[in-house]
Amino acid sequence: GNSVTQMEGPVTLSEEAFLTINCTYTATGYPSLFWYVQYPGEGLQLLLKATKADDKGSNKGFEATYRKETTSFHLEKGSVQVSDSAVYFCALSGRSGGGADGLTFGKGTHLIIQP
Amino acid sequence: GAVVSQHPSRVICKSGTSVKIECRSLDFQATTMFWYRQFPKQSLMLMATSNEGSKATYEQGVEKDKFLINHASLTLSTLTVTSAHPEDSSFYICSAKGVGSYNSPLHFGNGTRLTVT
Repeated sequence: GNSVTQMEGPVTLSEEAFLTINCTYTATGYPSLFWYVQYPGEGLQLLLKATKADDKGSNKGFEATYRKETTSFHLEKGSVQVSDSAVYFCALSGRSGGGADGLTFGKGTHLIIQP
Repeated sequence: GAVVSQHPSRVICKSGTSVKIECRSLDFQATTMFWYRQFPKQSLMLMATSNEGSKATYEQGVEKDKFLINHASLTLSTLTVTSAHPEDSSFYICSAKGVGSYNSPLHFGNGTRLTVT
């Protein structure tokens, strides 16, 4: 079945540091890949997505590239801010083409940015 | 943008009672809604998929008689935790997908923190 593995947290960085959160996946076919962000006490918000190999999703300075050869979708940001502190979830959907069904999520990575 | 409202945001109930959680799509029609459960420091686990006007599809290991799902309209799905016990305490999140294209994005509610005492 489908599965998502992402790096364990918490990840603690200083403001303006470079961020990488690793995500690898196992899936049949050609899934769509997503990063969601969850702020304290809130639900999930879609941060970015990619629907096919070599696609790059980007939003709010974050980006991730769909790498089929390494089955990865690592999240990066060049300069983090305190307001980026949240839990980040990597996820995949079972369908190709961008449809987001009942997603399979990674365990989440808690990111803490210190001023 | 599309909004999904989940209510209540927090509920405390006594063991043995039932609790209903509502999930509403406020500005779009949702043919499909999903219910997730999230344990502390764990990922979201899909519990069930709910399609308007039909029975929900439950994931393996989820008791359908305990977690009753009703999706009576295109804007409302409810999850009822029946005869709740302390081990049912968790964060429950719904998500909804719009009508039409299967490329429609998924929109999440803000979750419900259930505490069973």
